[in-house]
Amino acid sequence: DTAVSQTPKYLVTQMGNDKSIKCEQNLGHDTMYWYKQDSKKFLKIMFSYNNKELIINETVPNRFSPKSPDKAHLNLHINSLELGDSAVYFCASSRQGKSTDTQYFGPGTRLTVL
Amino acid sequence: KNEVEQSPQNLTAQEGEFITINCSYSVGISALHWLQQHPGGGIVSLFMLSSGKKKHGRLIATINIQEKHSSLHITASHPRDSAVYICAVSSGSQGNLIFGKGTKLSVKP
Repeated sequence: DTAVSQTPKYLVTQMGNDKSIKCEQNLGHDTMYWYKQDSKKFLKIMFSYNNKELIINETVPNRFSPKSPDKAHLNLHINSLELGDSAVYFCASSRQGKSTDTQYFGPGTRLTVL
Repeated sequence: KNEVEQSPQNLTAQEGEFITINCSYSVGISALHWLQQHPGGGIVSLFMLSSGKKKHGRLIATINIQEKHSSLHITASHPRDSAVYICAVSSGSQGNLIFGKGTKLSVKP
């Protein structure tokens, strides 16, 4: 059973389109995250949700909108895609969102914007 | 300058060698995490440290809070250890991670 799953694994789309990435965790964790890994493999936090509430919203364009329908799911919707959005997006979860909690990562979604 | 610096950026070793990867950070932290990113892209958490030393199999992680420095050691390295090792820190009470740029390790048979 996959602990943190993401769909799709690969996403190729044209500039200007709107797309969504889905994330689900079956660990019973309260907190979920979205991270972006750029072309240089550098990871950066985008959002954090705790029990469906937004906790962290780093400097991310408002074209990116996270949605958490329940604490097991955190989806990422991206409007008006740009070339610079091409990256690998990782979802993660942790038990309570504490700094000492281990984070469990999904397999990543490779987004390519043409 | 990044808040979390790792060295070396790239490391090639022969099978069986003892490996050390270093991490320095410039911010106050609650915890430091070592992560492994496999060649296929998946990320796995190896250790969470807030003080002292932890050991898991052939992997050992240490942290010196006063010096703001952590090391990850791999004993008796093996080609399957080839991966990118990422140091990340969390501060305050929240779990959002600030990442280093990673160390790419290649272990040759």
